[in-house]
Amino acid sequence: TVMTQSPATLSVSPGERATLSCRASQTVNNKLAWYQQKPGQAPRLLIYDVSTRGTGVPARFGGSGSGTEFTLTISSLQSEDFAMYYCQQYDYWPPYTFGQGTKVEIK
Amino acid sequence: EVQLVDSGGDLVQPGGSLTLSCETSGFAFRKHWMAWVRQAPGKGLEWVATIKPDRSEIYYVDSVKGRFIIARDDAKNSLYLHMNSLRTEDTAVYHCVRHALDDVWSGYTHFDSWGQGTLVTVSS
Repeated sequence: TVMTQSPATLSVSPGERATLSCRASQTVNNKLAWYQQKPGQAPRLLIYDVSTRGTGVPARFGGSGSGTEFTLTISSLQSEDFAMYYCQQYDYWPPYTFGQGTKVEIK
Repeated sequence: EVQLVDSGGDLVQPGGSLTLSCETSGFAFRKHWMAWVRQAPGKGLEWVATIKPDRSEIYYVDSVKGRFIIARDDAKNSLYLHMNSLRTEDTAVYHCVRHALDDVWSGYTHFDSWGQGTLVTVSS
């Protein structure tokens, strides 16, 4: 299952809303996660099962979608949110597949 | 506190071998599916291999089949990746990853904890 993220880069001002998209090449049955990765660090789980936040993840991170179209929304960007974001499906495996990532940068 | 500590990365020549280790603590290792995920320099994430707790199911990405072996030692709470016939395209940071638990101990779960990664460089 090919995962396609858009845009590749998203320029956002602090305090603004960010919307990241992820499209699957076939329907994934709510088996969709989002990860955040900062330079030099391991990825961190943000969202699983489309919309469930991971442990300790702030409420400003929200996931939505179904079928083949999914969205990660960051309601009000904080300085620590500027990072790479990856979606991943775990419904049709092997292989588990990731999107190519969206970089959220400061505008 | 859940901890996954990766080690074993090194510079190796094409065709060489290397074994990566992941020491874990803070959770019931024997209950979890475990995996390796890699990231080539400047690139995205690529799942490499996954192993079920009882070792009855093991899966690999096509590009490493026949060359890599994932293994686990529940007595040592450790995960391993034995890498043979290494290629330049295997150059990456390799992360040990824990699958989340579900009610039926399946592999249909996300990755909820990650090691910091260990760098493997394949070059002559």
